[in-house]
Order: sequence, then C-alpha cells, then structure tokens
Amino acid sequence: NAGVTQTPKFQVLKTGQSMTLQCAQDMNHEYMSWYRQDPGMGLRLIHYSVGAGITDQGEVPNGYNVSRSTTEDFPLRLLSAAPSQTSVYFCASSYSGGWEFFGPGTRLTVL
Amino acid sequence: GENVEQHPSTLSVQEGDSAVIKCTYSDSASNYFPWYKQELGKRPQLIIDIRSNVGEKKDQRIAVTLNKTAKHFSLHITETQPEDSAVYFCAAGGNKLVFGAGTILRVKS
Repeated sequence: NAGVTQTPKFQVLKTGQSMTLQCAQDMNHEYMSWYRQDPGMGLRLIHYSVGAGITDQGEVPNGYNVSRSTTEDFPLRLLSAAPSQTSVYFCASSYSGGWEFFGPGTRLTVL
Repeated sequence: GENVEQHPSTLSVQEGDSAVIKCTYSDSASNYFPWYKQELGKRPQLIIDIRSNVGEKKDQRIAVTLNKTAKHFSLHITETQPEDSAVYFCAAGGNKLVFGAGTILRVKS
C-alpha cells in the first residue's frame, strides 16, 4: 500500500490564483480530512469527509472547497489564494475515525 | 466548539527520566483523544490514543490517562531517550479533531 499520498510537495502561488491540492489513499478508508499547520502551531481542521459524497466543515473552512466523489480521493481547492493561506497542508485518512494515517504534506506559499 | 489547551509548551528532561504532558478540553461530547509525535519537517505520527470509555491505556514506554469528569488527559513517557525529542500534540473530538498547540520535548543525554 502507498498509504496516503499528496501532490504537489511544494507550491508557490500568486495572490488570487486558484489551485487544487491532491490527496489519495489506497486503504479503502471512509474517513478523510484536510488540516493546515502554521509555524509553531498545532493542526487546524479545514474540511473532512466520512464517505464518498459526504463532506463537512472544520474549524477554518473559509477560502477552501472540497468534494468526495470517490473513496480514494479527497482534493482541496483554493478558490482565490491569499497570503494568509501560506501554510503546510496535511491530508489524513482513517478506517473508523481514529485518524492514524497522515500524508507527507504540501508546503504552500502565497505571494 | 471544542477548545484544547496543552501544557507545557516546552519540556526538557534528562535521558532516562519521565515526561508528562497535559491537555484539557472543553466539549464533553468529545470521545476520542489521540496523541501525535511530529519531528521537524515530517508528518504527524499517531503514537497512542484513547476513547472516552477507557481511563488508561499503555503501550510500552508510553501511556495515556483520561479523566472525563475533569476533562483532561495526559501523556506519560517513561525512560525517555534522545529519539523521543520532538513536538507532541494532543487532540480531542471525534470525526472532527481539535489539536493542542504542541509541546516541544527535549531529551538531554
């Protein structure tokens, strides 16, 4: 199993640009989530999903969209990037809500 | 919503000593309490977790205790080793997790 994969590893955007961060898992996990981690801080939940077609907001959803059309994929879309969205983004998956599998992260810089 | 506070923010111990990190939470509906270890530049790694129907759980040198009445839970690491040096995060919730701000643990040899 590849586990949880994320692409890209690094990305630089200009203010106002849009992009999609990709997350995929090959463990047939129903639960998936997106977090952001700012320097010196814990992770903050952006959006999560408990199955294909089901998504819900976390602590900091503004400026981000998600969809879950398949069990394997959970992309995160930045609609109009802002410098405040500069962060490291982690995707996580779980079989039963235990949140034990994290992806390697995407480091995003918005200029 | 849930609020998680974590103390201390930094902790230095001698190799072989024990380390204790404490977290408090606010939402009595939270039923899942994981602890993560994160090394510099790496992803968070789940090291131990506990659910609200259990008071204590142990895995080798690591243990977690939960006091639902007081709404706090703690991570205990015994016989610390230099490789235990990292940032440790607690979290509370269920499907939605709220993380503490982290504790930098330094184990001095």
